Amino acid sequence: GAVVSQHPSWVICKSGTSVKIECRSLDFQATTMFWYRQFPKQSLMLMATSNEGSKATYEQGVEKDKFLINHASLTLSTLTVTSAHPEDSSFYICSARGKSRGQPQHFGDGTRLSIL
Amino acid sequence: SQELEQSPQSLIVQEGKNLTINCTSSKTLYGLYWYKQKYGEGLIFLMMLQKGGEEKSHEKITAKLDEKKQQSSLHITASQPSHAGIYLCGPRSEKLVFGKGTKLTVNP
Repeated sequence: GAVVSQHPSWVICKSGTSVKIECRSLDFQATTMFWYRQFPKQSLMLMATSNEGSKATYEQGVEKDKFLINHASLTLSTLTVTSAHPEDSSFYICSARGKSRGQPQHFGDGTRLSIL
Repeated sequence: SQELEQSPQSLIVQEGKNLTINCTSSKTLYGLYWYKQKYGEGLIFLMMLQKGGEEKSHEKITAKLDEKKQQSSLHITASQPSHAGIYLCGPRSEKLVFGKGTKLTVNP
């Protein structure tokens, strides 16, 4: 149980385009989903927290207009990188948690984004 | 804010050897999670510890949380190449913010 699917796993696109990444909880209802970013050989950096049906809470230094997060249902959250540039290239990982705040988060397999 | 430090940052062992990874919190923990990540992949949930003095085991991995709930250790017995990866501890809280992790290499 507790499977989180992230799609796509790899995306390459031109500078200036927008890229959407999906995160789905397959066998449980995810009240809260989290988006992380990871640079090579570094730990995960929390970008934002999203609760179903409400606006996402962004961490300090993360541009809201750059990284649009939507959590429209209990099984789906999306991260859209708008007008992506080479510096946005990174590994993005989502995680999902059920109703109880004490439950562990379950992670997707990540999306490797490369902007040319 | 709560900070977690792991030691060592990097560990190289020969297959079959035992090893221990430590996680120290700057504040008392309400609980602790251990995860494992292979480079370029997502995180795998290993264990959750909630009570002071609690110990849990799964296959050859044992994790403990000390009585004061500020330190945790993760012990691997008879390590195998499949244990290689980055081990991360994180606080059981509203937001899961990880430390830098411990990179484990197991040489065959």
